[in-house]
Amino acid sequence: NAGVTQTPKFRILKIGQSMTLQCAQDMNHNYMYWYRQDPGMGLKLIYYSVGAGITDKGEVPNGYNVSRSTTEDFPLRLELAAPSQTSVYFCASSRRTARSTNEKLFFGSGTQLSVL
Amino acid sequence: DAKTTQPTSMDCAEGRAANLPCNHSTISGNEYVYWYRQIHSQGPQYIIHGLKNNETNEMASLIITEDRKSSTLILPHATLRDTAVYYCIAGQSTDSWGKFQFGAGTQVVVTP
Repeated sequence: NAGVTQTPKFRILKIGQSMTLQCAQDMNHNYMYWYRQDPGMGLKLIYYSVGAGITDKGEVPNGYNVSRSTTEDFPLRLELAAPSQTSVYFCASSRRTARSTNEKLFFGSGTQLSVL
Repeated sequence: DAKTTQPTSMDCAEGRAANLPCNHSTISGNEYVYWYRQIHSQGPQYIIHGLKNNETNEMASLIITEDRKSSTLILPHATLRDTAVYYCIAGQSTDSWGKFQFGAGTQVVVTP
């Protein structure tokens, strides 16, 4: 299994441009998450999904959109890039069942995004 | 999710035990305590979690106080590779799920 795969690893955008950060997992996980991490700070939750077709906002959703059309993929869309969105973006996934207590999140390697 | 408080940083000598404290005084009865770590520039890595009882795995031990208002992560024999930011997260109860939120964490530096 590849685990959680994020593409691209690095990207530079100009202000006002749009892009999609890709995230895919091959572990059949139902929960997926997007976090951003600013330099020297902890991770902040942007959006999460509890299954295909279901998404919800996290702490800092403004300026982002997500979709979850399949179990495997959870892309993050930036419509009008702003310098404040310069950050490292991490995607994660986990498997939640009615009986599970081990909510281990698996993280991708991150996407470094700079908006200039 | 309950708010957690951790020291900003701590140092540890290689080969010694590292004891990382975390306060979660507002934790509810069915919320878990999780520990993750993040080695520079990498995605966070799961370490351990617990509800009421102390837990141990190949990476660490988790000691939760009887009133569950605080916990300690123990790295029994710290190595240089344990230098990382360690996050304590309280939440994700048995009857709710979704927002898994990280705080600022503790920067642990293991020195030779």
